[in-house]
Parts: sequence; structure tokens; C-alpha cells
Amino acid sequence: GAGVSQSPSNKVTEKGKDVELRCDPISGHTALYWYRQRLGQGLEFLIYFQGNSAPDKSGLPSDRFSAERTGESVSTLTIQRTQQEDSAVYLCASSPGVVGSNQPQHFGDGTRLSIL
Amino acid sequence: AQSVAQPEDQVNVAEGNPLTVKCTYSVSGNPYLFWYVQYPNRGLQFLLKYITGDNLVKGSYGFEAEFNKSQTSFHLKKPSALVSDSALYFCAVQEGNNRLAFGKGNQVVVIP
Repeated sequence: GAGVSQSPSNKVTEKGKDVELRCDPISGHTALYWYRQRLGQGLEFLIYFQGNSAPDKSGLPSDRFSAERTGESVSTLTIQRTQQEDSAVYLCASSPGVVGSNQPQHFGDGTRLSIL
Repeated sequence: AQSVAQPEDQVNVAEGNPLTVKCTYSVSGNPYLFWYVQYPNRGLQFLLKYITGDNLVKGSYGFEAEFNKSQTSFHLKKPSALVSDSALYFCAVQEGNNRLAFGKGNQVVVIP
């Protein structure tokens, strides 16, 4: 497909474990965003990539959260030592990426993370 | 900081009736505003955006939105709601680096 792909779609893990979430953006999209959606709430911005650099990490909630991106392709969001409050849907979006272009972001279906 | 507010939690409307989902914004400068829809267990789908120009913006699936600068509003509208329009609707404003600041969302329930 031509859309944003995220894996896994669901992840259940025990508190204290590390998890890795993956995002495959639309081919050619240089901008990539991670958001978090807690139950019954709107989306919280986590981090923005332009190419493989991350000029805006201001939304990462703690140093347990990190992300990287390979070139203008796959990104992984890693959460270390997971806590129950990390339970949420993690959404990835991509866009053509020229800052100020106002192009809409295209979202994946998300990874539903549940911490036991 | 840029922000949007969606004052209602849930909007109930009968099938065939007009649908309105409210959004107000607080921004410095000219706002870039978006509406997205989210169906259960899916990501967000883009409906429409306002950047500049005509205050009435037309989007996907028969939706439109009216930008009102004096009332700082960007309400989403559809003349005749369908049961399939039942979903979660998000208003968003673009911030620096094209990141989006979202409202809390409105659940729309269209009653057959």
C-alpha cells in the first residue's frame, strides 16, 4: 500500500520492559511525526523528524522515550522501562515535509500499547 | 502557543439533518487550521484545511468548514449527516515545524 504503515498494531507488555514501535512513512515524505493518543484525549506531539535529524524533540515526556530515523525512511520509537501511564495509542504521520508548505499529514493506524 | 478548543464532548444528530462540529482557535498571526476524522481502531484521515483565501473551505465526504476571524472559529459542517459519519473528529492548528496541536476531539453519533 501507499499509506503510512505502523507495526505492531497491538503490543501488550509488562511494566519495566522496553518496547520498540516502528513506522514506515509514505515513500518520498521527508517529514515524520510521532504523536501519542491517550484514552479519551486528543493527540500529544512527541517528536518531529526532517530527514534523519530530529529538530524538535520537545514533546518526548521523559528520557525513557527516544526515537530514531534511518534516512528518509523507517522510524522507531523506543520506550524503556515502561510504566502503566505509557499505555496509549502511538500514531505516526508523514508529510512531504517542506516547512511552511502546509501539506496535510498522513497518519498510520497506530500501535495500541498496553502496559500490564 | 497555538491552540484549538472543541467545546463539546459528543454531538448527536439524526440522519439527514445538518451536522456541525465546533472548533475555536487561539493563535498569534494567521492560523493554519485542519480537520481530521478518526474511525475506530484507525489513524486520522484528513478532511480539509484552511490556509488563506475563501472563508468557506470544502473537503472530503461532503464536509465543509467556515473560517470566521472575528469569532476565531473554524466549525465543521455537513448539510445532511449519514450514519457512516459517526466517528471522532479533531480540529488542529499548525505550529512551528508543521507540527499539529489538536483539540480533544468530538464524538459524533448519527442516529438512524
